[in-house]
Amino acid sequence: QSALTQPASVSGSPGQSITISCTGTSSDVGGYNYVSWYQQYPGEAPKLMIYEVSNRPSGVSNRFSGSKSGNTASLTISGLQAEDEADFYCSSYTTNNTLGMVFGGGTKLTVL
Amino acid sequence: EVQLVQSGAEVKKPGESLKISCKGSGYSFTSYWIGWVRQMPGKGLEWMGIIYPGDSDTRYSPSFQGQVTISADKSISTAYLQWSSLKASDTAMYYCARRSVAVDYWGQGTLVTVSS
Repeated sequence: QSALTQPASVSGSPGQSITISCTGTSSDVGGYNYVSWYQQYPGEAPKLMIYEVSNRPSGVSNRFSGSKSGNTASLTISGLQAEDEADFYCSSYTTNNTLGMVFGGGTKLTVL
Repeated sequence: EVQLVQSGAEVKKPGESLKISCKGSGYSFTSYWIGWVRQMPGKGLEWMGIIYPGDSDTRYSPSFQGQVTISADKSISTAYLQWSSLKASDTAMYYCARRSVAVDYWGQGTLVTVSS
Protein backbone atom coordinates (compact mmCIF):
# COMPACT_ATOMS: atom_id res chain seq x y z
CA GLN A 1 0.00 0.00 0.00
CA SER A 2 1.23 3.56 -0.70
CA ALA A 3 2.34 5.43 2.38
CA LEU A 4 1.10 8.90 3.16
CA THR A 5 3.67 11.59 2.31
CA GLN A 6 5.50 13.33 5.13
CA PRO A 7 8.66 15.47 5.05
CA ALA A 8 11.70 13.44 6.04
CA SER A 9 12.78 16.01 8.59
CA VAL A 10 11.80 19.25 10.24
CA SER A 11 13.61 21.33 12.82
CA GLY A 12 12.98 24.22 15.14
CA SER A 13 14.44 26.05 18.10
CA PRO A 14 13.10 25.80 21.63
CA GLY A 15 9.99 27.92 22.08
CA GLN A 16 9.17 28.00 18.37
CA SER A 17 6.26 26.28 16.63
CA ILE A 18 6.67 23.70 13.91
CA THR A 19 4.21 21.96 11.61
CA ILE A 20 4.52 18.51 10.07
CA SER A 21 2.41 17.80 7.01
CA CYS A 22 0.87 14.51 5.92
CA THR A 23 -0.46 14.34 2.37
CA GLY A 24 -2.73 11.65 1.06
CA THR A 25 -5.67 11.40 -1.29
CA SER A 26 -9.43 11.55 -1.24
CA SER A 27 -9.38 7.82 -0.46
CA ASP A 28 -7.72 8.41 2.89
CA VAL A 29 -6.82 11.76 4.48
CA GLY A 30 -9.18 13.85 2.38
CA GLY A 31 -12.15 11.54 2.61
CA TYR A 32 -12.34 10.72 6.29
CA ASN A 33 -11.71 12.34 9.66
CA TYR A 34 -9.67 9.40 10.90
CA VAL A 35 -6.20 10.89 10.85
CA SER A 36 -3.95 10.12 13.79
CA TRP A 37 -0.41 11.09 14.79
CA TYR A 38 2.21 9.12 16.72
CA GLN A 39 5.44 10.11 18.45
CA GLN A 40 8.26 7.60 18.65
CA TYR A 41 11.48 7.92 20.61
CA PRO A 42 14.45 5.73 19.64
CA GLY A 43 14.08 2.25 21.03
CA GLU A 44 10.50 2.82 22.17
CA ALA A 45 7.06 1.95 20.88
CA PRO A 46 5.06 4.71 19.17
CA LYS A 47 2.65 6.75 21.28
CA LEU A 48 -0.69 8.13 20.13
CA MET A 49 -0.65 11.94 20.21
CA ILE A 50 -3.67 12.94 18.09
CA TYR A 51 -6.69 10.97 16.84
CA GLU A 52 -9.62 11.82 14.60
CA VAL A 53 -7.66 14.75 13.11
CA SER A 54 -7.57 17.00 16.16
CA ASN A 55 -8.39 15.12 19.36
CA ARG A 56 -5.77 14.63 22.06
CA PRO A 57 -5.79 11.55 24.28
CA SER A 58 -5.75 12.15 27.99
CA GLY A 59 -2.25 13.08 29.17
CA VAL A 60 -0.98 14.53 25.89
CA SER A 61 0.23 18.11 26.17
CA ASN A 62 -1.98 20.80 24.62
CA ARG A 63 1.15 22.02 22.81
CA PHE A 64 0.28 19.32 20.27
CA SER A 65 -2.57 20.07 17.88
CA GLY A 66 -3.88 18.59 14.66
CA SER A 67 -5.79 19.90 11.68
CA LYS A 68 -6.75 18.97 8.14
CA SER A 69 -7.35 20.79 4.88
CA GLY A 70 -8.30 18.83 1.80
CA ASN A 71 -5.95 15.88 1.36
CA THR A 72 -3.33 17.21 3.79
CA ALA A 73 -3.32 16.81 7.55
CA SER A 74 -0.97 18.70 9.83
CA LEU A 75 0.52 18.28 13.28
CA THR A 76 1.59 21.48 15.00
CA ILE A 77 3.81 21.55 18.05
CA SER A 78 3.93 24.90 19.80
CA GLY A 79 6.44 26.04 22.41
CA LEU A 80 8.96 23.49 21.16
CA GLN A 81 10.92 21.72 23.89
CA ALA A 82 14.03 19.57 23.73
CA GLU A 83 11.98 16.55 24.82
CA ASP A 84 9.87 16.84 21.66
CA GLU A 85 12.77 15.61 19.52
CA ALA A 86 11.51 12.31 18.10
CA ASP A 87 10.09 10.66 15.01
CA PHE A 88 6.49 11.44 14.13
CA TYR A 89 4.16 9.33 12.00
CA CYS A 90 0.74 10.14 10.64
CA SER A 91 -1.86 7.52 9.86
CA SER A 92 -5.24 7.53 8.20
CA TYR A 93 -8.19 5.31 7.51
CA THR A 94 -8.04 4.31 3.85
CA THR A 95 -10.17 2.53 1.29
CA ASN A 96 -7.05 1.69 -0.73
CA ASN A 97 -6.30 -1.53 1.11
CA THR A 98 -8.07 -4.29 2.99
CA LEU A 99 -6.40 -3.30 6.28
CA GLY A 100 -8.22 0.02 6.28
CA MET A 101 -5.27 1.98 7.61
CA VAL A 102 -2.03 3.39 6.22
CA PHE A 103 0.99 5.10 7.81
CA GLY A 104 3.02 8.03 6.61
CA GLY A 105 6.71 7.57 5.99
CA GLY A 106 7.68 9.40 9.17
CA THR A 107 9.30 12.75 10.02
CA LYS A 108 12.36 13.27 12.17
CA LEU A 109 11.92 16.34 14.39
CA THR A 110 15.15 17.95 15.53
CA VAL A 111 15.12 20.58 18.25
CA LEU A 112 18.07 22.85 17.58
CA GLU B 1 -5.37 -0.52 32.55
CA VAL B 2 -5.07 -1.64 28.94
CA GLN B 3 -1.84 -3.50 28.24
CA LEU B 4 -0.36 -5.39 25.33
CA VAL B 5 2.59 -7.50 26.44
CA GLN B 6 4.74 -9.11 23.78
CA SER B 7 7.07 -12.06 23.98
CA GLY B 8 10.81 -11.52 24.25
CA ALA B 9 13.54 -10.93 21.71
CA GLU B 10 14.46 -13.77 19.38
CA VAL B 11 17.64 -14.70 17.52
CA LYS B 12 17.10 -17.20 14.75
CA LYS B 13 18.88 -18.64 11.73
CA PRO B 14 17.60 -18.34 8.16
CA GLY B 15 15.10 -21.06 7.37
CA GLU B 16 13.96 -21.50 10.97
CA SER B 17 10.36 -21.01 12.07
CA LEU B 18 9.16 -18.56 14.71
CA LYS B 19 5.95 -17.58 16.50
CA ILE B 20 5.80 -14.44 18.60
CA SER B 21 2.94 -13.43 20.85
CA CYS B 22 1.01 -10.44 22.16
CA LYS B 23 -1.17 -10.80 25.25
CA GLY B 24 -3.90 -8.26 25.83
CA SER B 25 -5.34 -7.34 29.20
CA GLY B 26 -7.53 -4.68 30.75
CA TYR B 27 -10.13 -4.65 27.99
CA SER B 28 -12.43 -6.92 25.99
CA PHE B 29 -9.90 -8.68 23.77
CA THR B 30 -12.56 -9.88 21.34
CA SER B 31 -13.93 -6.40 20.65
CA TYR B 32 -10.95 -4.70 19.00
CA TRP B 33 -8.80 -5.37 15.99
CA ILE B 34 -5.20 -6.28 16.79
CA GLY B 35 -2.58 -5.50 14.18
CA TRP B 36 1.08 -6.31 13.65
CA VAL B 37 3.46 -3.57 12.56
CA ARG B 38 7.00 -4.08 11.27
CA GLN B 39 9.77 -1.56 11.76
CA MET B 40 13.01 -2.44 10.04
CA PRO B 41 16.21 -0.91 11.42
CA GLY B 42 16.17 2.84 10.86
CA LYS B 43 12.94 2.69 8.87
CA GLY B 44 9.28 3.57 9.26
CA LEU B 45 6.18 1.72 10.37
CA GLU B 46 4.50 -0.83 8.09
CA TRP B 47 1.21 -2.63 8.63
CA MET B 48 1.63 -6.35 8.16
CA GLY B 49 -1.90 -7.48 8.91
CA ILE B 50 -4.74 -7.37 11.36
CA ILE B 51 -7.05 -9.81 13.11
CA TYR B 52 -10.38 -9.44 14.88
CA PRO B 53 -10.21 -11.96 17.71
CA GLY B 54 -13.98 -12.02 18.08
CA ASP B 55 -14.46 -13.92 14.83
CA SER B 56 -10.84 -14.43 13.65
CA ASP B 57 -11.37 -12.26 10.56
CA THR B 58 -7.78 -11.78 9.34
CA ARG B 59 -6.44 -9.45 6.67
CA TYR B 60 -2.93 -9.07 5.29
CA SER B 61 -1.04 -6.31 3.56
CA PRO B 62 -0.16 -7.49 0.03
CA SER B 63 3.54 -7.19 0.94
CA PHE B 64 3.16 -9.76 3.70
CA GLN B 65 0.46 -12.07 2.30
CA GLY B 66 1.87 -15.57 2.19
CA GLN B 67 4.98 -14.54 4.13
CA VAL B 68 3.52 -14.63 7.66
CA THR B 69 0.50 -16.00 9.48
CA ILE B 70 -1.52 -14.02 12.01
CA SER B 71 -3.73 -15.81 14.49
CA ALA B 72 -5.36 -15.31 17.87
CA ASP B 73 -6.50 -17.44 20.80
CA LYS B 74 -9.31 -15.54 22.43
CA SER B 75 -9.45 -17.95 25.35
CA ILE B 76 -6.12 -16.54 26.54
CA SER B 77 -6.42 -13.06 24.97
CA THR B 78 -3.33 -13.58 22.85
CA ALA B 79 -2.50 -12.76 19.25
CA TYR B 80 0.32 -14.35 17.30
CA LEU B 81 2.60 -13.63 14.37
CA GLN B 82 4.44 -16.54 12.84
CA TRP B 83 6.93 -17.36 10.12
CA SER B 84 7.53 -20.82 8.66
CA SER B 85 10.92 -19.98 7.15
CA LEU B 86 12.71 -16.86 8.27
CA LYS B 87 14.97 -14.77 6.05
CA ALA B 88 17.67 -12.32 7.00
CA SER B 89 15.42 -9.57 5.67
CA ASP B 90 12.89 -10.40 8.44
CA THR B 91 15.26 -8.81 10.95
CA ALA B 92 13.18 -6.04 12.50
CA MET B 93 11.21 -4.85 15.49
CA TYR B 94 7.64 -6.11 15.48
CA TYR B 95 4.88 -4.34 17.36
CA CYS B 96 1.37 -5.48 18.09
CA ALA B 97 -1.17 -2.70 18.33
CA ARG B 98 -4.82 -2.30 19.26
CA ARG B 99 -6.91 -0.52 16.70
CA SER B 100 -10.05 1.48 17.26
CA VAL B 101 -10.42 4.80 15.43
CA ALA B 102 -6.64 4.98 15.83
CA VAL B 103 -3.94 2.75 17.24
CA ASP B 104 -4.47 3.62 20.85
CA TYR B 105 -2.28 0.99 22.52
CA TRP B 106 0.97 -0.59 21.45
CA GLY B 107 2.95 -3.54 22.70
CA GLN B 108 6.52 -2.94 23.77
CA GLY B 109 7.87 -4.59 20.64
CA THR B 110 9.65 -7.86 19.89
CA LEU B 111 13.05 -7.66 18.24
CA VAL B 112 13.61 -10.48 15.79
CA THR B 113 17.15 -11.00 14.53
CA VAL B 114 17.78 -13.48 11.74
CA SER B 115 21.41 -14.25 11.12
CA SER B 116 23.50 -17.22 10.13
